[in-house]
Amino acid sequence: RKEVEQDPGPFNVPEGATVAFNCTYSNSASQSFFWYRQDCRKEPKLLMSVYSSGNEDGRFTAQLNRASQYISLLIRDSKLSDSATYLCVVNPNTGGFKTIFGAGTRLFVKA
Amino acid sequence: DTAVSQTPKYLVTQMGNDKSIKCEQNLGHDTMYWYKQDSKKFLKIMFSYNNKELIINETVPNRFSPKSPDKAHLNLHINSLELGDSAVYFCASSPGYEQYFGPGTRLTVT
Repeated sequence: RKEVEQDPGPFNVPEGATVAFNCTYSNSASQSFFWYRQDCRKEPKLLMSVYSSGNEDGRFTAQLNRASQYISLLIRDSKLSDSATYLCVVNPNTGGFKTIFGAGTRLFVKA
Repeated sequence: DTAVSQTPKYLVTQMGNDKSIKCEQNLGHDTMYWYKQDSKKFLKIMFSYNNKELIINETVPNRFSPKSPDKAHLNLHINSLELGDSAVYFCASSPGYEQYFGPGTRLTVT
């Protein structure tokens, strides 16, 4: 089993749709969790941290389910500019500030 | 006011050559990383330095040698380049676990 797994997609959604991605992690001792977005031929950029209580930033909501070992990202009212690859990132708590990136979920938002 | 910068942006070279990639951050972070993103877009950590000390050294060939002259700089030297080294190499810096990436260096080995 991979340490961090994501559905690669692609997810093809119309503008205005709500879309959700899940990401599972294998190490139950994992701590910090993040979502990044990566545009084509660009660097990954931090989208949001994921807290135990869940957190929301505008149209984006991230949640953590420790019991089932997954995190989720919900995007409401999708915009064309949301088209990107969304990367799930986990700190496996093995020391040294190590983080593990998922392979990413590709999202296409169409007019 | 680039936060994390890398040079060069593109690097095309022949097999067997030695090349270096430089990274600088002006964010005042203590931790810096090197990642490799291959053609399948999988981003894999290679090295991490904290205050100039190597703290993460993943399974990477010895041909790859990182060097951190100071907290704001982390360079990557690659000896005897191979075709399989072709990828995008990203530098990142971090105050904790959230990371800020440079624009990447696209390395092509012919």
